[in-house]
Amino acid sequence: EVQLVESGGGLIQPGGSLRLSCAASGFTVSSNYMSWVRQAPGKGLEWVSVIYSGGSTYYADSVKGRFTISRDNSKNTLYLQMNSLRAEDTAVYYCARGPRVSDPNWFDPWGQGTLVTVSS
Amino acid sequence: DIQMTQSPSSLSASVGDRVTITCRASQGIRNDLGWYQQKPGKAPKRLIYAASSLQSGVPSRFSGSGSGTEFTLTISSLQPEDFATYYCLQHNSYPPTWTFGQGTKVEIK
Repeated sequence: EVQLVESGGGLIQPGGSLRLSCAASGFTVSSNYMSWVRQAPGKGLEWVSVIYSGGSTYYADSVKGRFTISRDNSKNTLYLQMNSLRAEDTAVYYCARGPRVSDPNWFDPWGQGTLVTVSS
Repeated sequence: DIQMTQSPSSLSASVGDRVTITCRASQGIRNDLGWYQQKPGKAPKRLIYAASSLQSGVPSRFSGSGSGTEFTLTISSLQPEDFATYYCLQHNSYPPTWTFGQGTKVEIK
């Protein structure tokens, strides 16, 4: 079964750091494009970052310079290192497989999400 | 960057109603648009790709149309399980970024 399971969320003070993990099963992370998408409480979806199978990475302007996407091929796991956290980073963070070269709006599956709360 | 404007932000409808949701792009994006459904506490699920192609396994009451700057998601006969929030999704080729519409919450009248 193709599945993603996120972990690492929690309560963190402004200015702090947190690393989210997304463990994949049923497919190989390094052979796919992988993304992070977040959703602030009661708000809409916001794309955060993508890592291509070749290793290129891209970020939303709102997190550029503060967040880093990476993967560990031996663990088949995707990561999101979040530094200099702000209150506006409070959200449920989803990892997702996708997009595809042939289908740039395809994201499937998604993880269950992990909540990050930035507050003092 | 291309901006997406989705409307309405919410709507109330009854089972059996025809529902239409619109997304407008700030510049032409050909047919490079997808529609996602999200139920409370769940991850999104894609319904439509390439503006008008139905994702495998999605009921045929869902349809998409449009090209260029204006796109529409239509539910021909609303069912109880369709009460959810719907998002359009567009991507920029370079630098690669993705933009969701603001969302449309479909509620029971």
